[in-house]
Amino acid sequence: QKEVEQNSGPLSVPEGAIASLNCTYSDRGSQSFFWYRQYSGKSPELIMSIYSNGDKEDGRFTAQLNKASQYVSLLIRDSQPSDSATYLCAVNRDDKIIFGKGTRLHILP
Amino acid sequence: KAGVTQTPRYLIKTRGQQVTLSCSPISGHRSVSWYQQTPGQGLQFLFEYFSETQRNKGNFPGRFSGRQFSNSRSEMNVSTLELGDSALYLCASSATGGARTEAFFGQGTRLTVV
Repeated sequence: QKEVEQNSGPLSVPEGAIASLNCTYSDRGSQSFFWYRQYSGKSPELIMSIYSNGDKEDGRFTAQLNKASQYVSLLIRDSQPSDSATYLCAVNRDDKIIFGKGTRLHILP
Repeated sequence: KAGVTQTPRYLIKTRGQQVTLSCSPISGHRSVSWYQQTPGQGLQFLFEYFSETQRNKGNFPGRFSGRQFSNSRSEMNVSTLELGDSALYLCASSATGGARTEAFFGQGTRLTVV
């Protein structure tokens, strides 16, 4: 079982709709969870971090964490074409940040 | 505040050569982590340095090594290059490392081995 799993996509979402990105992780001892956005040819950019069960909102982004289910998600409201990118889920395990392979998101104009 | 700076941005090397990549973290950050990114494997953790000490290491062969200087700048070295080492090498800096660390990436070094 991979440590951090994401659906590779592509996930196609109409402009203005909600994009929902999901991630599961295998180590119950994981303490911190992150979402990075990576545009093609660029480096990953941190967009959200979450440490406790529940929701955390920042602008159009909401991160959700369920430690019992070992599940992290990212919701993007009012999706824009500029949101088209690969979204990487990352988990801090023993002070190492482990990444999933990412989900490609395509916002349809 | 300046971001994470990696040099060089691009490198072309021949099999069997060695290469050294450099990373200057965000001012005040003491932790530097290195990652290899390839289309097939995604982002894979190489190692992390904090206060000149390697604290964590991923599952890479001993040909991959690194070090950190007293000013927190870090270098990564790959010896006896193989074609499979072609990748984007990214470094990420964070203030302290640790469980709630937020890591910020440099622009990466694109290494091509021919």
